[in-house]
Amino acid sequence: GAGVSQSPRYKVAKRGQDVALRCDPISGHVSLFWYQQALGQGPEFLTYFQNEAQLDKSGLPSDRFFAERPEGSVSTLKIQRTQQEDSAVYLCASSLKGVNTEAFFGQGTRLTVV
Amino acid sequence: SQKIEQNSEALNIQEGKTATLTCNYTNYSPAYLQWYRQDPGRGPVFLLLIRENEKEKRKERLKVTFDTTLKQSLFHITASQPADSATYLCALVGTRSGNTGKLIFGQGTTLQVKP
Repeated sequence: GAGVSQSPRYKVAKRGQDVALRCDPISGHVSLFWYQQALGQGPEFLTYFQNEAQLDKSGLPSDRFFAERPEGSVSTLKIQRTQQEDSAVYLCASSLKGVNTEAFFGQGTRLTVV
Repeated sequence: SQKIEQNSEALNIQEGKTATLTCNYTNYSPAYLQWYRQDPGRGPVFLLLIRENEKEKRKERLKVTFDTTLKQSLFHITASQPADSATYLCALVGTRSGNTGKLIFGQGTTLQVKP
């Protein structure tokens, strides 16, 4: 595709519900990142994939957060038993390799937990 | 702990003037520094990358400096236009000892250019 695509664009979840957020990176991009952005703040790193390998998941806030990229392309970020503090914009980014090249971001998924 | 600070207050300038945004960091030795632009409701868009051994980088009306002694980067937009109004994010990347594969962002500075 022309850019990084994320779906859904908006998600409202009831507290305790599980959610799955999808990211379609730019074709051929080896690296994929997930970030969480609270209102008025910069994006905060969650996890990083190189192809299908999850090389860094140090930013995942709890074991309720899980990410996968089974075929080295599409990635899914899953949040189990959502809490109000999970409300944020979740951004996906991809790049050709590593982070000494530019990262291309999707528009994000705005998650609201009520 | 690693910390990145950008001007927390919005920057308001007149069209045609030069906007200067600051990014300071502590407890980190980045291999690269990147600047991104973010418009409301959109993801960040890459603008410039500067390496630790580079002092200055330019692209059209944009200029970035990187002072590893002061642990500071300055981002300049010359001949600013209302269309430059957005939030600007700096991000640190990698370390001399290895590439951790993640961007560490500042909180961003909102720039408003008045016509």
